Amino acid sequence: NAGVTQTPKFQVLKTGQSMTLQCAQDMNHNSMYWYRQDPGMGLRLIYYSASEGTTDKGEVPNGYNVSRLNKREFSLRLESAAPSQTSVYFCASSDYHLRDRGSEQPQHFGDGTRLSIL
Amino acid sequence: DQQVKQNSPSLSVQEGRISILNCDYTNSMFDYFLWYKKYPAEGPTFLISISSIKDKNEDGRFTVFLNKSAKHLSLHIVPSQPGDSAVYFCAADAGNNRKLIWGLGTSLAVNP
Repeated sequence: NAGVTQTPKFQVLKTGQSMTLQCAQDMNHNSMYWYRQDPGMGLRLIYYSASEGTTDKGEVPNGYNVSRLNKREFSLRLESAAPSQTSVYFCASSDYHLRDRGSEQPQHFGDGTRLSIL
Repeated sequence: DQQVKQNSPSLSVQEGRISILNCDYTNSMFDYFLWYKKYPAEGPTFLISISSIKDKNEDGRFTVFLNKSAKHLSLHIVPSQPGDSAVYFCAADAGNNRKLIWGLGTSLAVNP
């Protein structure tokens, strides 16, 4: 029962390099999310996908692109990495579809990708 | 501006005692609140939630209280155990497609 799987777990990049962070969930959730966590900043939403085929910007989308490849997979791409993108990146999924009071579907998180950009 | 505030960055409690973690919010449109727990090198895990139509929700040792007039919620852990030592995040949902707004977290240390 894997839940949300993120790869890689660690990565070091040089400024200007590109990379794609992978995320897959096996819970048949329709919504998926990418967050970054920085010291003293909490969790900030980068992009999300409410359902397969849709993606939307979150709080901090600049410098990132996403692809909802299918229902299971949601990838995050850094086209030209910058030191300011050094962070821990978390992918999450949930079964959110309709507002249903009293039956909240929380987000389930992966264990994160620790990314350092030199 | 921080819409969800956890004003205590850290809290230390003796094993067996009550831990009280606090969270304040500014947006009256928030109608669902969640608490997550995070251990180092792991992702956050969902702990407990509360709808704005309730003022209390209980799950085992964990109880969340909501005071809408004060825009304040708190998480009570009774009794506290060393395994509860983690960072606790408060998050709020305004219903707009589940874009949660997160507090900065409170690091709880439960001492044996």
